[in-house]
Amino acid sequence: TQLLEQSPQFLSIQEGENLTVYCNSSSVFSSLQWYRQEPGEGPVLLVTVVTGGEVKKLKRLTFQFGDARKDSSLHITAAQHGDTGLYLCAGLMNYGGATNKLIFGTGTLLAVQP
Amino acid sequence: DTEVTQTPKHLVMGMTNKKSLKCEQHMGHRAMYWYKQKAKKPPELMFVYSYEKLSINESVPSRFSPECPNSSLLNLHLHALQPEDSALYLCASSQGTYGFGEAFFGQGTRLTVV
Repeated sequence: TQLLEQSPQFLSIQEGENLTVYCNSSSVFSSLQWYRQEPGEGPVLLVTVVTGGEVKKLKRLTFQFGDARKDSSLHITAAQHGDTGLYLCAGLMNYGGATNKLIFGTGTLLAVQP
Repeated sequence: DTEVTQTPKHLVMGMTNKKSLKCEQHMGHRAMYWYKQKAKKPPELMFVYSYEKLSINESVPSRFSPECPNSSLLNLHLHALQPEDSALYLCASSQGTYGFGEAFFGQGTRLTVV
């Protein structure tokens, strides 16, 4: 059972278009991270959201954490070719005691055509 | 320095070989992780070390053997692997398994088992 479902799974758009990626779960997370990964590289952290309802902006990227801390969205305005990559949400869950673990979503593969 | 360094970048090994993957970080992070990632899929957690002790083993086969010699180093010893173990192996670190779960990833080792 996948705890974090992302949609869409694949997205191909033209430069200049806007897009939104969703990350949904039935579980509550103490925080949620968004990563971007290029082929052959490790994921790179984009943002961390902690508070329900929180909105963070990173240039053309807007991240939102759901009020109940079960879901999140990533909105990209005026996409550029350089935004191409695998976008991963990751939720932090308590494993037991003081140990947490980071669970990754199913991923969204974005291709921005020049 | 926010780098996690993994070596080697690429590795080809036979099913009877013994090899090791290495990971190093100098950010003072006390939690280190091994993830396995297949093409266009999200990373899957294998092991978590917290303060140099193994705290999570996600039911990984014994042909994968992790080791944490000190707080900066993490190794993954490989023996008698199968072709289906071919994948990108990612190392990550974070300040601890407490906190917000922000993890920094290395570039990965692309492993091919022949």
